[in-house]
Amino acid sequence: DTGVSQDPRHKITKRGQNVTFRCDPISEHNRLYWYRQTLGQGPEFLTYFQNEAQLEKSRLLSDRFSAERPKGSFSTLEIQRTEQGDSAMYLCASSLRGTGAHSGANVLTFGAGSRLTVL
Amino acid sequence: AQKITQTQPGMFVQEKEAVTLDCTYDTSDPSYGLFWYKQPSSGEMIFLIYQGSYDQQNATEGRYSLNFQKARKSANLVISASQLGDSAMYFCAMRATFGNEKLTFGTGTRLTIIP
Repeated sequence: DTGVSQDPRHKITKRGQNVTFRCDPISEHNRLYWYRQTLGQGPEFLTYFQNEAQLEKSRLLSDRFSAERPKGSFSTLEIQRTEQGDSAMYLCASSLRGTGAHSGANVLTFGAGSRLTVL
Repeated sequence: AQKITQTQPGMFVQEKEAVTLDCTYDTSDPSYGLFWYKQPSSGEMIFLIYQGSYDQQNATEGRYSLNFQKARKSANLVISASQLGDSAMYFCAMRATFGNEKLTFGTGTRLTIIP
């Protein structure tokens, strides 16, 4: 088990360009989450998947954002026509609800994040 | 709606001393869970401890304990015998037990351990 992997770790792009982030969750986890963290703030929920189904989306997820999880394994988060306000750390997390010492907790395991800078 | 408030933007503590990080919350959900995460400079959020709203006892995990006072809506994290490696951002978070999967975070407290 290598934990949650995110790629790339850092991305610098010009305003108006498209960017895509990839997340590889812990292999046996069926739930996958995307969060966004701006400087000086806590992470904010964007969306989550159970297997391949996208079950919840935040109002923060404008129509320029799209997330997919084909085949219920890795996930991608794409941002089209980036804006300077999109600059943030994009965090991915995964979980397997209903197991372990905290079975009611659905503890999320986070990746190290993908930092986006839009110039 | 859920809200987490962390009123201490930064704290400095001498090594080996105990430290309490404050967290208050607000929710209308009858059943919920409270979490603490640590975020070192590397960026990864590391789970520390969980408390269910109906748990009879306060949670403990090694040097971490959660001082849960339901009537006051507080869930303070206590770190005993602090170590230099404890220097990091600490986030309190909560989620309803049923339904909404969104984990709501506070703004965090930056803890610095002084040797």
